[in-house]
Amino acid sequence: SYELTQPSSVSVSPGQTATITCSGDKLEDQYASWYQQKPGQSPLLVIYQDIERPSGIPERFSGSNSGNTATLTISVTQPVDEADYYCQAWDSSAETVVFGGGTKLTVL
Amino acid sequence: QVLLQESGPGLVKPSETLSLTCTVSGASITTYFWSWVRLPPGKGLEWIGNVFYSGSTNYNPSLKSRVTISVDTSKSQFSLKMNSVTAADTAAYYCASYSGSYFFDNWGQGTLVTVSS
Repeated sequence: SYELTQPSSVSVSPGQTATITCSGDKLEDQYASWYQQKPGQSPLLVIYQDIERPSGIPERFSGSNSGNTATLTISVTQPVDEADYYCQAWDSSAETVVFGGGTKLTVL
Repeated sequence: QVLLQESGPGLVKPSETLSLTCTVSGASITTYFWSWVRLPPGKGLEWIGNVFYSGSTNYNPSLKSRVTISVDTSKSQFSLKMNSVTAADTAAYYCASYSGSYFFDNWGQGTLVTVSS
């Protein structure tokens, strides 16, 4: 089955750039999406179709997808960005949705 | 604005069937795919399955033998049934809309289901 691999944790200082990676075989052939989830809240879509940002999501969130790796970048990271982040893709061969294991972003 | 609301029992006994319903408002249920996703305590998001308004479904292979997702277009609802539950099925369960472009764009608030005797 298709798998997406994320680092379990990333730490960043306020104002710095946070980079969270998501690796999967030939991931560039699929659209990658990213979700932010804070404790007790529902997931929130922050990036879709690799690079697109939904309305209301700050410009400091950006995405890319090349080769086997999709990347979520948060520039000028703020304490409010502290959350779990999940990547997601569609496995077209199996017709299933796949989530990465999630990355806990700590802003300190 | 698409709104989704989960409903169903918060406590289910081991070996019994978990049943949840998601009510959709603000959009036609014929517009999207509709999904169930869960978040077990201390773990990551897990996709359970999708249903289209026609009734066609896709399921997570690891859960497929125990799960049925169905849709009732007359009520703008879709439902999840999971049989033979164990403590490992304890989780927050979310319903969501799944875009034809392969992302979840709207989520319900989630409902916690505990499997315990």
